[in-house]
Amino acid sequence: NAGVTQTPKFQVLKTGQSMTLQCAQDMNHNSMYWYRQDPGMGLRLIYYSASEGTTDKGEVPNGYNVSRLNKREFSLRLESAAPSQTSVYFCASIRETYGTQYFGPGTRLLVL
Amino acid sequence: GENVEQHPSTLSVQEGDSAVIKCTYSDSASNYFPWYKQELGKRPQLIIDIRSNVGEKKDQRIAVTLNKTAKHFSLHITETQPEDSAVYFCAASPSGTGNQFYFGTGTSLTVIP
Repeated sequence: NAGVTQTPKFQVLKTGQSMTLQCAQDMNHNSMYWYRQDPGMGLRLIYYSASEGTTDKGEVPNGYNVSRLNKREFSLRLESAAPSQTSVYFCASIRETYGTQYFGPGTRLLVL
Repeated sequence: GENVEQHPSTLSVQEGDSAVIKCTYSDSASNYFPWYKQELGKRPQLIIDIRSNVGEKKDQRIAVTLNKTAKHFSLHITETQPEDSAVYFCAASPSGTGNQFYFGTGTSLTVIP
């Protein structure tokens, strides 16, 4: 039982490049999330998927797109990376309302 | 949307003393309040949570209190130990949002041996 996994662990991009961050969970959880964490800003929700087949914008969705590929996988895409997207990205999941939210190990992204 | 404010941003205590971190929220629809601990370079992990139908919850040295009227909740750590040093985040989840979470900006706790 790996929990929540993320790839890659670290990535350097040039401005304008695109990339997809991958997230998978093996706990049969319904809801999945993408957050970004910046110094002094806490965790800010980018997009979430309350259940398979649905996605919704969070607090900071601009510049990102998501795909809930199936119940296990939730990917985050940066179409044209900008330096302001330099951050640590965390994926998370929960089984149900009031359930424990489990986080992945994070992806550290640097956009030059 | 919901707005969660967290204070203080940094906190230093002597080993054995208590630490208190406070959060306020704005949306009266919020009904679930988890607290997370994040060690340096690691992922956030849930340490305790409380639902809006409960005023206080304890788990060994950790407790959380909730005042729905004032819209604030607090984390209390007693008999602090050096391994309690970490960043702590509060969060609020409004009902009807599909389990959406809003986080505070974090408190960096240092326990001095």
